[in-house]
Amino acid sequence: RKEVEQDPGPFNVPEGATVAFNCTYSNSASQSFFWYRQDCRKEPKLLMSVYSSGNEDGRFTAQLNRASQYISLLIRDSKLSDSATYLCVVIPSGGSNYKLTFGKGTLLTVNP
Amino acid sequence: ETGVTQSPTHLIKTRGQQVTLRCSSQSGHNTVSWYQQALGQGPQFIFQYYREEENGRGNFPPRFSGLQFPNYSSELNVNALELDDSALYLCASSLTGDTGELFFGEGSRLTVL
Repeated sequence: RKEVEQDPGPFNVPEGATVAFNCTYSNSASQSFFWYRQDCRKEPKLLMSVYSSGNEDGRFTAQLNRASQYISLLIRDSKLSDSATYLCVVIPSGGSNYKLTFGKGTLLTVNP
Repeated sequence: ETGVTQSPTHLIKTRGQQVTLRCSSQSGHNTVSWYQQALGQGPQFIFQYYREEENGRGNFPPRFSGLQFPNYSSELNVNALELDDSALYLCASSLTGDTGELFFGEGSRLTVL
C-alpha cells in the first residue's frame, strides 16, 4: 500500500462548482498534513496545513480524520484560477520536518 | 517567486553520463531538500542537507549524492544515469524549526536518452 493515496482524477468542473478531493495515508503515527498546489510545469506551493479540528481559508476547507487516516480538501465556488494539481502531503512519524511524503496529485480543471 | 533558484532549467544527457544540478536557497534558509518528480507522479524525497551535512535520505541509490555549501546553496549529483532518472528535480529550502512549508525552485528538467 502506498504511503499517501489520492483520488486519481482528473476532475473537470464548471466555474462556481464545489469540488472535494480525498486522500488516505498508511502510517497511523503520521504527525502533520498539508495540501500543496502545483500549476502546470511549475513548482509545488503550500496551499494550506490540515489540522485535526479542520480549518478553512476563504473558499478552501481542509479536514483530517485520524481514526480513518483520511484527509480532504473542499473548494467552494471554483474559479478558473483554481485549475492545478492538488498534492496531499504527509510528514511521517519520526521523520524530519522536511521529509514530506507526497501523493500522486489530483488534477483539477475548472471550465468557463 | 520563492527566491529559490535552480540551474540548469533543462538538460539532456545520455545513459551512463553524470549530471550536476545546482540550487540557491532562499535568503536565510539553512536547510535544503531535493525531490525527484517523474511525469504524472508526486515529488519523491531524495535527501536533505543541513549545515553542510546530509540529514536524511529517501529510497535512492548511492549514485545520487549531494553537497551543501557554507552559503547554504546545494548541488545534486547523479552518476551512471539511467533512463528512469528522467524527471523534474526540485530543490526546496526551509528554515530550521518551520514545519511543512517548503519553498521550491522551479526545478531542473532532466531527460536521459
